Amino acid sequence: QSVLTQPPSVSGAPGQRVTISCTGSTSNIGAGHAVHWYQQLPGTAPKVLIYGNMNRPSGVPDRFSGSKSGTSASLAITGLQAEDEADYFCQSYDTSLSGYVFGTGTKVTVL
Amino acid sequence: QVQLVESGGRLVKPGGSLRLSCATSGFTFSDYFMTWIRQPPGRGLEWVSHITNSAAGSRQNYADSVKGRFTISRDNAKTSLHLQMNSLRAEDTAVYFCARVSRISLVHLDSWGQGTLVTVSS
Repeated sequence: QSVLTQPPSVSGAPGQRVTISCTGSTSNIGAGHAVHWYQQLPGTAPKVLIYGNMNRPSGVPDRFSGSKSGTSASLAITGLQAEDEADYFCQSYDTSLSGYVFGTGTKVTVL
Repeated sequence: QVQLVESGGRLVKPGGSLRLSCATSGFTFSDYFMTWIRQPPGRGLEWVSHITNSAAGSRQNYADSVKGRFTISRDNAKTSLHLQMNSLRAEDTAVYFCARVSRISLVHLDSWGQGTLVTVSS
């Protein structure tokens, strides 16, 4: 059972901008814990895209950006490309559960 | 480069036991927190357990869904991570990933293995 809520799917045409929301609560995102984002291509392990709300690891294109406000966070993909078609998950820490929590996951489709 | 390779997944009957292993290389294993994450077929990610590094006392923590049934351990000399899974249930069926916890945030997972499939079925 996922503690963080994401839309099941988003889609956009190549070159467009899409955003994925991640809604938590006062025991995780709202408690000040950072949000991290992962991309999972079909049949592969997840890969970190954004860490610490807005930071990109080296090698991740600057088309990917993250933000956080209150009990929610967002991942934005600008200049959408065919290779961005994948599942995306947010992650944070939950004080009440004393463990990591993940979002429900969002499938991005490039039209 | 950093490598994590899981093994041990297979078909097991409900109530059975299984031990997963994660062989690591390319980094100082003893310095890092490590974790197990699972993903049921066609579904999302679920944190299973994590273990801190030696400096933090090798403390373990578990998701409520596996508490009392699963045990995480690490062998710093062999740079390997393990997950002992007992009293397995159908809902434990998933791909199990071993992942390294970043030292920057102590939360995000900066390296993952390819996963090993555990199927619990009669």
